[in-house]
Amino acid sequence: NAGVMQNPRHLVRRRGQEARLRCSPMKGHSHVYWYRQLPEEGLKFMVYLQKENIIDESGMPKERFSAEFPKEGPSILRIQQVVRGDSAAYFCASSPLASGAPTDTQYFGPGTRLTVL
Amino acid sequence: AQRVTQPEKLLSVFKGAPVELKCNYSYSGSPELFWYVQYSRQRLQLLLRHISRESIKGFTADLNKGETSFHLKKPFAQEEDSAMYYCALSGTGNQFYFGTGTSLTVIP
Repeated sequence: NAGVMQNPRHLVRRRGQEARLRCSPMKGHSHVYWYRQLPEEGLKFMVYLQKENIIDESGMPKERFSAEFPKEGPSILRIQQVVRGDSAAYFCASSPLASGAPTDTQYFGPGTRLTVL
Repeated sequence: AQRVTQPEKLLSVFKGAPVELKCNYSYSGSPELFWYVQYSRQRLQLLLRHISRESIKGFTADLNKGETSFHLKKPFAQEEDSAMYYCALSGTGNQFYFGTGTSLTVIP
């Protein structure tokens, strides 16, 4: 099992461009979480998704940010019209948690470091 | 509102000394508490969870519901313990809340 994969590992964008961050969960995991880590700060929850469903997006900025987890393929975190303040490390985690089951461990990816010039 | 507080951003101890990383939480129900660790150049990984009541790499953590704390302890710190430690809480809706992290440095 290759673990949670994230790509790209580093992404550089100019202000106003779009950033697409991908997360492939561990095999058999159907739950994905996205976190943002700003410089000098801790992890902040952004969104929790299951296949084809957004369960909780209370941590997502209201504008420019969106996330999806399609039936096939990786989860995508999309940031439109990036600004310098979006520069951060974005981490994805997956869990095998089944609906109604007790909380399970999260397995983290290596993160994507986004730099906005 | 759910919240996890790690009051110490940086913590330095000498090798062989006891270490305690503090974590306090705010949650109205019965939370599940975790400690995650990130070693240099590695990804974040689970260290321990309170329901397992286990000791991992010499670390233990006891959930104190009266004080709403879940402090991480180790009696004798080792150099390889130097890392970033995050306390996390899982509540209803399976959302996770992380603290801001404590960077532990063990001085040889």
